[in-house]
Amino acid sequence: AQSVTQLDSHVSVSEGTPVLLRCNYSSSYSPSLFWYVQHPNKGLQLLLKYTSAATLVKGINGFEAEFKKSETSFHLTKPSAHMSDAAEYFCVVSDGDTGRRALTFGSGTRLQVQP
Amino acid sequence: GAGVSQSPSNKVTEKGKDVELRCDPISGHTALYWYRQSLGQGLEFLIYFQGNSAPDKSGLPSDRFSAERTGGSVSTLTIQRTQQEDSAVYLCASSLGGISSYNEQFFGPGTRLTVL
Repeated sequence: AQSVTQLDSHVSVSEGTPVLLRCNYSSSYSPSLFWYVQHPNKGLQLLLKYTSAATLVKGINGFEAEFKKSETSFHLTKPSAHMSDAAEYFCVVSDGDTGRRALTFGSGTRLQVQP
Repeated sequence: GAGVSQSPSNKVTEKGKDVELRCDPISGHTALYWYRQSLGQGLEFLIYFQGNSAPDKSGLPSDRFSAERTGGSVSTLTIQRTQQEDSAVYLCASSLGGISSYNEQFFGPGTRLTVL
């Protein structure tokens, strides 16, 4: 069975400061891991994905995440927050061996960016 | 090109009524997924279609829920005898499918269902 735990339901940062959204996963097999973003009244958008290639993954809008197998973590970071980054972020795992590739979502982290 | 589309965008219904939610996947995508996003449960998988294979229904919460995919394209999610706990946003996603490597799932805007 696979699961994802997002350690913070809300994160608030000031514009221009670093962003850290924490995620831990549990998976029986080699997982694929993703971060999705959901802006208000918009659909889910893929930020980045890890699929057993490089452990440091770069995504869109300056976000990146590092896969750490020893810590079962996949934290999302950005060096400098922008007002437009305010949204809900979901850490997601897809179990590599289930075949159907359905996604298991974390409970989400709402990022607020203060001016 | 066009993304995943869903209709209606909003649906308000009375408890006990049946509802149908529609999803038009991206052309050429063989895999189609339904998810539900609700306040108490977060985002959860409901059902998965891959080509002509039998669907994976393991996420459907009860036998009031069913889905079909006609001609390998459009999908309809049907909820019979709706209950207030069915109120949620129902999201559809599609991908190129296949199991040899991960293919990105593209999400539609969702249908917000409110059961009074």
